[in-house]
Amino acid sequence: AQTVTQSQPEMSVQEAETVTLSCTYDTSENNYYLFWYKQPPSRQMILVIRQEAYKQQNATENRFSVNFQKAAKSFSLKISDSQLGDTAMYFCAFMKGSGAGSYQLTFGKGTKLSVIP
Amino acid sequence: DAGVTQSPTHLIKTRGQQVTLRCSPKSGHDTVSWYQQALGQGPQFIFQYYEEEERQRGNFPDRFSGHQFPNYSSELNVNALLLGDSALYLCASSLVGAGEQFFGPGTRLTVL
Repeated sequence: AQTVTQSQPEMSVQEAETVTLSCTYDTSENNYYLFWYKQPPSRQMILVIRQEAYKQQNATENRFSVNFQKAAKSFSLKISDSQLGDTAMYFCAFMKGSGAGSYQLTFGKGTKLSVIP
Repeated sequence: DAGVTQSPTHLIKTRGQQVTLRCSPKSGHDTVSWYQQALGQGPQFIFQYYEEEERQRGNFPDRFSGHQFPNYSSELNVNALLLGDSALYLCASSLVGAGEQFFGPGTRLTVL
């Protein structure tokens, strides 16, 4: 079974600064996806960024980027130029690759990020 | 382009009752997954429906059942409600074979 661990229950960052959220996972699969989802107080889970395990290049989406270390099974999220709207719960999630017969997302417990004005 | 929608937004039930939650997937999506999110926790996978059949199930008892209709919308049914069933229930839709799932706003269920 896959497990996802987020070791930082809460973090805070000053507006316009950079923050990194940590995530480690455990799997015996070689083909899989990793995701970061954001859940603001409004509850809607929003996809922030995704990474395919076979891609060596780290994914980026505007101010969001990941540091994917496959051998270390580490998948951290960096948020640059933090904005007040980034305040939310952030969840790291794992999914086996297509063809593996599993379609579920396995989530970590989340990191509560607060952006301070 | 409408995203994933869920109804109702909030629901209050008493122990032993039955509840039905509804989900309409994002336009063009054919697969619906359901997750339970307890307070302060990450979502837990309940099951996934594709082509009107349950394709995969998480570690949830048979009291949790579902259905998918020909228009790809889905229902989650929970029988014999327990206090521990109180949670946010999230629906997510996707295209079969695609990696990412798109979530709805959730239904907050409170069991008294």
